[in-house]
Amino acid sequence: GAGVSQSPSNKVTEKGKDVELRCDPISGHTALYWYRQSLGQGLEFLIYFQGNSAPDKSGLPSDRFSAERTGGSVSTLTIQRTQQEDSAVYLCASSLDSLDYEQYFGPGTRLTVT
Amino acid sequence: KQEVTQIPAALSVPEGENLVLNCSFTDSAIYNLQWFRQDPGKGLTSLLLIQSSQREQTSGRLNASLDKSSGRSTLYIAASQPGDSATYLCAVNDQGAQKLVFGQGTRLTINP
Repeated sequence: GAGVSQSPSNKVTEKGKDVELRCDPISGHTALYWYRQSLGQGLEFLIYFQGNSAPDKSGLPSDRFSAERTGGSVSTLTIQRTQQEDSAVYLCASSLDSLDYEQYFGPGTRLTVT
Repeated sequence: KQEVTQIPAALSVPEGENLVLNCSFTDSAIYNLQWFRQDPGKGLTSLLLIQSSQREQTSGRLNASLDKSSGRSTLYIAASQPGDSATYLCAVNDQGAQKLVFGQGTRLTINP
């Protein structure tokens, strides 16, 4: 079956612009996660959804970052007023449930803020 | 706060050798541990998942072990091949918060 998909694969934006990153999880997976991978920080957790609710937003680095999930499926990560330090690869993962199930990752969106 | 450490940071070995990658974590309250592979410019591919109640998992030439009480896992790769060259990441699924906490990875190069 289809894996986790993300779009766009690459995004170049100017500092100060808003961007939206999209994630389509594996069909039937109730849990969805966003992570960020940057050169200096490694892979870090951003936010977790169970269904359409986000019980854990603790990893969002600032209030410029927000995310939503609709219909228990697609999720969008929005970054407002982008800064150069937001440049990173944004990875989405999904799992069958949130507790002890394997997480499957998408290919990521490479965001470059100029 | 959970911390995951991977040693070594980089490893280069000739083709055909057996090798071991190490992962340690500070808090034993985990649901599971996953090993991933990441090729340059690509996403993460899950290799093995070990539940907290398990001691090891095997898939082909890969074997992962888990010693939860000592906070350690190893990934054993048998008969290494150039196609095994990639960065290998270890991640624990924390019981305290439902997320993966990653190590910094081991960059593996298999020389033909």
